[in-house]
Amino acid sequence: SYELTQPPSVSVSPGQTARIPCSGDALAKQYAYWYQQKPGQAPVLIIYTDSERPSGIPERFSGSSSGTTVTLTVSGVQAEDEADYYCQSADSSGTYVVFGGGTKLTVL
Amino acid sequence: QVQLQESGPGLVKPSETLSLTCTVSGGSISSYYCSWIRQPPGKGLEWIGYIYHSGGTNYNPSLRSRVTMSVDTSKRQFSLNLSSVTPADTAVYYCAGHIAVTGHFDYWGQGTLVNVSS
Repeated sequence: SYELTQPPSVSVSPGQTARIPCSGDALAKQYAYWYQQKPGQAPVLIIYTDSERPSGIPERFSGSSSGTTVTLTVSGVQAEDEADYYCQSADSSGTYVVFGGGTKLTVL
Repeated sequence: QVQLQESGPGLVKPSETLSLTCTVSGGSISSYYCSWIRQPPGKGLEWIGYIYHSGGTNYNPSLRSRVTMSVDTSKRQFSLNLSSVTPADTAVYYCAGHIAVTGHFDYWGQGTLVNVSS
């Protein structure tokens, strides 16, 4: 089965930049999406089609893609950004949805 | 604004069938796909499958043998059945709406916790 790989955790101090990678072979041809999930809440879409930001999402959240790796960047991290972050994409045929294992962002 | 609401039993016995419903409000049920996604306590997200308003479906290969999805457009409801459940199926179950087949999920329900236990 196809998998997306994320680091389990990333830690940064307030005001610093956090980068969360997500890797998978099919990312070279499939778009990636990112969600933020806080405890007890449903995920919220924060990046779509690799790098686009939905309305209402702060500009400090950005996405990029290079080959088989996509990266979520949070610039000027704030305490409220502490959450779990999930990447989502599809297998190479575009048939099945797949999620990364999730990354817990800790703001020190 | 489209809103999704999951409903169903919070407790299911092992070997029985888990049945959940997702009710759509605030938008056209014909505009998008409905996926079911689950999250075991303390773990990550797992896509179960999707159904379109026309009834077309696509399931995660790892769950395909136990999953059935259906739609009732008159009631504006999508449904999920997962058979032969075990404690490993204990999770928060979400329904989520999306426009593209394997695109991003625009709308999410609040989720409902289903515990599989005798």
